[in-house]
Amino acid sequence: AQTVTQSQPEMSVQEAETVTLSCTYDTSESDYYLFWYKQPPSRQMILVIRQEAYKQQNATENRFSVNFQKAAKSFSLKISDSQLGDAAMYFCAYRRLYNFNKFYFGSGTKLNVKP
Amino acid sequence: GAVVSQHPSRVICKSGTSVKIECRSLDFQATTMFWYRQFPKQSLMLMATSNEGSKATYEQGVEKDKFLINHASLTLSTLTVTSAHPEDSSFYICSARMRGDNYGYTFGSGTRLTVV
Repeated sequence: AQTVTQSQPEMSVQEAETVTLSCTYDTSESDYYLFWYKQPPSRQMILVIRQEAYKQQNATENRFSVNFQKAAKSFSLKISDSQLGDAAMYFCAYRRLYNFNKFYFGSGTKLNVKP
Repeated sequence: GAVVSQHPSRVICKSGTSVKIECRSLDFQATTMFWYRQFPKQSLMLMATSNEGSKATYEQGVEKDKFLINHASLTLSTLTVTSAHPEDSSFYICSARMRGDNYGYTFGSGTRLTVV
């Protein structure tokens, strides 16, 4: 079974600084999707970024980028120029390529942004 | 963009009663909808998957007679918690997959259920 591990329960970053959230996963499959979701205090899950495993290029979305290391099964999220609105729970998630149903979520990392 | 509306956002019910939570895709057809449960400070756990017009598929350990899921149309899925008990108190989140979209799953804003 696929498992997703986020080893940092909580992290803090100064506003305008850069922070990296870690995620590792375990799978025997070669093709899959990886995601980072943000859950602010409103509890609304918001897609931050996604990565297709067959793509070698790391995904980027404005201030958010990932470091995808397929061999190491690592998928970290870098947030540059952190803003107060980035404070939230961040969940790493894995989804199989051919099974549209199931996301495997990590346990989450709470990000605090200090002014 | 795709929007999923979940209602109610908060509900308090008495032990032994039933409560229904609605999940609607507002501007797209959702061929598949998913129901998650989230305990405080924990991750999302998939409870069941529902496809329009067919029976829901429940994850192992989820009581199908307690958590009734109906996906009556391409825009509406409901979760009914029957004979609710305090241990059913939790945060319930739905998400919907748009027809033809292999990536995007839009999440609702969640329902906080408190059973007293």
